[in-house]
Amino acid sequence: DSGVTQTPKHLITATGQRVTLRCSPRSGDLSVYWYQQSLDQGLQFLIQYYNGEERAKGNILERFSAQQFPDLHSELNLSSLELGDSALYFCASSGGQAGNSPLHFGNGTRLTVT
Amino acid sequence: GEDVEQSLFLSVREGDSSVINCTYTDSSSTYLYWYKQEPGAGLQLLTYIFSNMDMKQDQRLTVLLNKKDKHLSLRIADTQTGDSAIYFCAERKDSSYKLIFGSGTRLLVRP
Repeated sequence: DSGVTQTPKHLITATGQRVTLRCSPRSGDLSVYWYQQSLDQGLQFLIQYYNGEERAKGNILERFSAQQFPDLHSELNLSSLELGDSALYFCASSGGQAGNSPLHFGNGTRLTVT
Repeated sequence: GEDVEQSLFLSVREGDSSVINCTYTDSSSTYLYWYKQEPGAGLQLLTYIFSNMDMKQDQRLTVLLNKKDKHLSLRIADTQTGDSAIYFCAERKDSSYKLIFGSGTRLLVRP
């Protein structure tokens, strides 16, 4: 058990809808990262937050947004969903901003868009 | 640029050693990681190595780093059927916060 909790585990929704994925980092970790894993794109970095502030942005679509709350949990919001958004979405956390603090991953949320 | 490459598939017999290879392109990468993903599960951190090290051993796992060739390998000794999974290598630059992952190597351990 990595200590990173993601909910829900599975999500099935229709095109055009909006969903929210939730992540609770390991106790004491200040950084939260979101990754998307799909068959054709592999593991793609979406966005990182550190102590409530956005720190780095990757291949995140404008239809997607995220935030980290004062209690350090994070939410990833996906809107105007398309079939191609179907993927596994992982959250990871680490203790610091960078350096030798490795990322610990949750078990992911599997999103299916029909 | 940012590019991490791995072979897609490796098949070994139970009890043999497995060697999973990875190449990366960014010489400024300071940390390199190995993660394991079992079916339907998340990514489990196996081990990592700092770029000023050549080797790291942790029980059945041995990581070798060749900085000159930008080559990283993971050796699993006495491979077991429970080691069957996808193995990802990832690089991280000290100035960056994200991990760049390879496409993963699927390891199949035959009884």
